[in-house]
Amino acid sequence: QSALTQPASVSGSPGQWITISCTGTSSDVGAYKYVSWYQQHPGKAPKLLIYEVSNRPSGVSYRFSGSKSGNTASLTISGLQAEDEADYYCSSYRGSSPYVVFGGGTKLTVL
Amino acid sequence: EVQLVESGGGLVKPGGSLRLSCAASGLTFRNAWMTWVRQSPGKGLEWIGRIKSKTVGGTIDYTPPVKGRFTISRDDSKNTLYLQMNSLKSEDTAVYYCTIGYCSGTDCHYDDAFDIWGQGTTVTVSS
Repeated sequence: QSALTQPASVSGSPGQWITISCTGTSSDVGAYKYVSWYQQHPGKAPKLLIYEVSNRPSGVSYRFSGSKSGNTASLTISGLQAEDEADYYCSSYRGSSPYVVFGGGTKLTVL
Repeated sequence: EVQLVESGGGLVKPGGSLRLSCAASGLTFRNAWMTWVRQSPGKGLEWIGRIKSKTVGGTIDYTPPVKGRFTISRDDSKNTLYLQMNSLKSEDTAVYYCTIGYCSGTDCHYDDAFDIWGQGTTVTVSS
């Protein structure tokens, strides 16, 4: 069982937007601004999409955005494209070992 | 361009040992905090542990399920990170990645946002 809770799957049509939630506790997501999101295509390493709740690394599309409220963080993908179909993971810093906990992952299907 | 290349994975029997390596290039390795993350088949990601740079003390931390069995080390002269895994269990079967935190200028997120990843090396623990 993963430390952070994500929905197992979400789906959307091209051009639409979707949101993936990530629920933790007051010891991780709720305690720190250090929530990250990753995209992983089959057989590939994860790719960092969002860091520090809502910041995008250089080169990541503006279509990806993040937010947080209390113990729950969210990733929103707007203008869905076929290449967005992948697994998405959230993570949170937690201040003591294990210093980072991940969500179980959400499979995004673009219909 | 920063590159990480893992090696050393393979098939090992329960109770056995394996040493993984992660060769880094394109960065000042001695200043980097390096992290190991694994992904069990069909499952999510798990933070295994991290070694800080020697310039800030070289502290090493592990996740409880591997503490006492796994050892993280680094050789800054060879730009290489290691993961020594002993007393391996079936639940250690996974793809093992080395990774580095994201840096924007001097603002580095070594412990919370992993930007550069290796291709992963597969460890299978089975009799």
